Amino acid sequence: AQSVTQPDIHITVSEGASLELRCNYSYGATPYLFWYVQSPGQGLQLLLKYFSGDTLVQGIKGFEAEFKRSQSSFNLRKPSVHWSDAAEYFCAVVHGGSYIPTFGRGTSLIVHP
Amino acid sequence: ETGVTQSPTHLIKTRGQQVTLRCSSQSGHNTVSWYQQALGQGPQFIFQYYREEENGRGNFPPRFSGLQFPNYSSELNVNALELDDSALYLCASSLPDRGGGYTFGSGTRLTVV
Repeated sequence: AQSVTQPDIHITVSEGASLELRCNYSYGATPYLFWYVQSPGQGLQLLLKYFSGDTLVQGIKGFEAEFKRSQSSFNLRKPSVHWSDAAEYFCAVVHGGSYIPTFGRGTSLIVHP
Repeated sequence: ETGVTQSPTHLIKTRGQQVTLRCSSQSGHNTVSWYQQALGQGPQFIFQYYREEENGRGNFPPRFSGLQFPNYSSELNVNALELDDSALYLCASSLPDRGGGYTFGSGTRLTVV
């Protein structure tokens, strides 16, 4: 069965600092990979997705993610964090035989002024 | 283009009661999925409907049931509510395309007392 691991429950950064949120998946072939963001009391918003091609994908709000097959990782990055980026971030994976994403447990991003 | 709308936004029910949650899909989306998100956790897949037929189900008991209507709106019904059913219930619509990503509603916060 596929699974998604987000090893960091909380990440704290200062405004303006760079950010990297980790995501690892377990699946034999290349899955479809997604990052979503959830602000308090809201649903999830798609930040970016990867399913083939260039392993570095650009998303909305200045985020990017890099797929590394050798490490089974799809880490989310942002060069300079803004206070409005404080939210919960979820990595999700869809494997080749399904249309249904499996989500990680999420990483809570805290931004200090 | 309308997004995904869920109603009600908040709901309090007593253990043993039944509840119906509603979702209107994004225009043009014919697939709807329901997720349960407990506090501090990632969304857990309940089931998915495509063209009014259930085409995937997660590890939830039969007292969780659903419907999709010809206009692609959807309902989630939960019978015999338990305290552990307290959670944010998210509806997401999509095309039947595993690479497209989901559009989520803001969710219904269900509290069972």
